[in-house]
Amino acid sequence: DAGITQSPRYKITETGRQVTLMCHQTWSHSYMFWYRQDLGHGLRLIYYSAAADITDKGEVPDGYVVSRSKTENFPLTLESATRSQTSVYFCASTVARGDTGELFFGEGSRLTVL
Amino acid sequence: GQQVMQIPQYQHVQEGEDFTTYCNSSTTLSNIQWYKQRPGGHPVFLIQLVKSGEVKKQKRLTFQFGEAKKNSSLHITATQTTDVGTYFCAGRERGSTLGRLYFGRGTQLTVWP
Repeated sequence: DAGITQSPRYKITETGRQVTLMCHQTWSHSYMFWYRQDLGHGLRLIYYSAAADITDKGEVPDGYVVSRSKTENFPLTLESATRSQTSVYFCASTVARGDTGELFFGEGSRLTVL
Repeated sequence: GQQVMQIPQYQHVQEGEDFTTYCNSSTTLSNIQWYKQRPGGHPVFLIQLVKSGEVKKQKRLTFQFGEAKKNSSLHITATQTTDVGTYFCAGRERGSTLGRLYFGRGTQLTVWP
């Protein structure tokens, strides 16, 4: 579904470099999420945002920074990438009314840190 | 903190056999969602269960939410090769903020023709 897009889809970087993964949704969903997916760990919540300028930590926030100046964008920054951050990153969004609604996921960004 | 455990991690079945994956939480959940991820793809929402003891069906898929709202299951009857993928449950602890939706580790289903 083209309503939520991630970029880049693939990225190779080196240890210590800063990397930003972009996420853009066109639905004006209030909630946005960043998950990382690793073999044997499933999907782990990094950060989420309830609205513009409102963000909060998930299960594994260390080493990541997020911002949400506009409702439609939710970038994820690795300030100094480490090999353990090699993963597939998924952005998701939802309209939460009274309870967490259906999550719509982006295609994912595959990051390799050398 | 909230933990969502999912078993088994892998399941290999022959086409036509049934398949079940189980999800258990250490805390009472507000709701539980199920997702399917095809190989190389992204998770896609299947269903949400909210009520205690709720049972929902989608063709060959049956979803259950436990009476205590701490466990859930997904059962597929007579699997087909199109069922291949990883199935995830995701739950939010009752009383927690709406953004705290945690996933189980998933069950990877392989179907042999």
